Amino acid sequence: DGGITQSPKYLFRKEGQNVTLSCEQNLNHDAMYWYRQDPGQGLRLIYYSQIVNDFQKGDIAEGYSVSREKKESFPLTVTSAQKNPTAFYLCASRDGQGLDTEAFFGQGTRLTVV
Amino acid sequence: GENVEQHPSTLSVQEGDSAVIKCTYSDSASNYFPWYKQELGKRPQLIIDIRSNVGEKKDQRIAVTLNKTAKHFSLHITETQPEDSAVYFCAASRKAPRGGADGLTFGKGTHLIIQP
Repeated sequence: DGGITQSPKYLFRKEGQNVTLSCEQNLNHDAMYWYRQDPGQGLRLIYYSQIVNDFQKGDIAEGYSVSREKKESFPLTVTSAQKNPTAFYLCASRDGQGLDTEAFFGQGTRLTVV
Repeated sequence: GENVEQHPSTLSVQEGDSAVIKCTYSDSASNYFPWYKQELGKRPQLIIDIRSNVGEKKDQRIAVTLNKTAKHFSLHITETQPEDSAVYFCAASRKAPRGGADGLTFGKGTHLIIQP
């Protein structure tokens, strides 16, 4: 279903912990993205990567880190520096350089701080 | 950077009537404008998109119009049905500083409610 898989579906984080969200795609897309969704806020861009071994900060990158060692994978780490991490996280991918192509989304990971 | 404004935040229409959602964008270099539908707890899914070299596009009951001069675009749903109830997001694709696209900038969403 969709070719882009996020895991886990639900994740609980204790205060001061780092957690990593997984995103894998088998669509052979060059570009991958991480978005954060809060109620009433729409989707906000955290990080994006247009090619392996390269990534750029989005609008709300503070407290997050990413890596792009393989074309298929773009994991997101939520660090202890992110003070309000409870949210729904969505990973997406696009073909080519992505300027005018459809973005496909994973099913999302709901992160909760306990 | 790009800024996308979306209105209204909530829209309630009678089943069978039409619904219109409007968005404006700020970056004149944006040239791709998709619309996504998101059901509760699920992933956004593309329902229609338009590129800046086209003024209107239609797919069955759904249409999108684009006015590049005014920098606004709209989603039109005709003959609404209960299954159209969802949150709809507009978006614009902007250029990254080093070329290509740095990601879609989304509006804050419209909760569409179809009243039976």
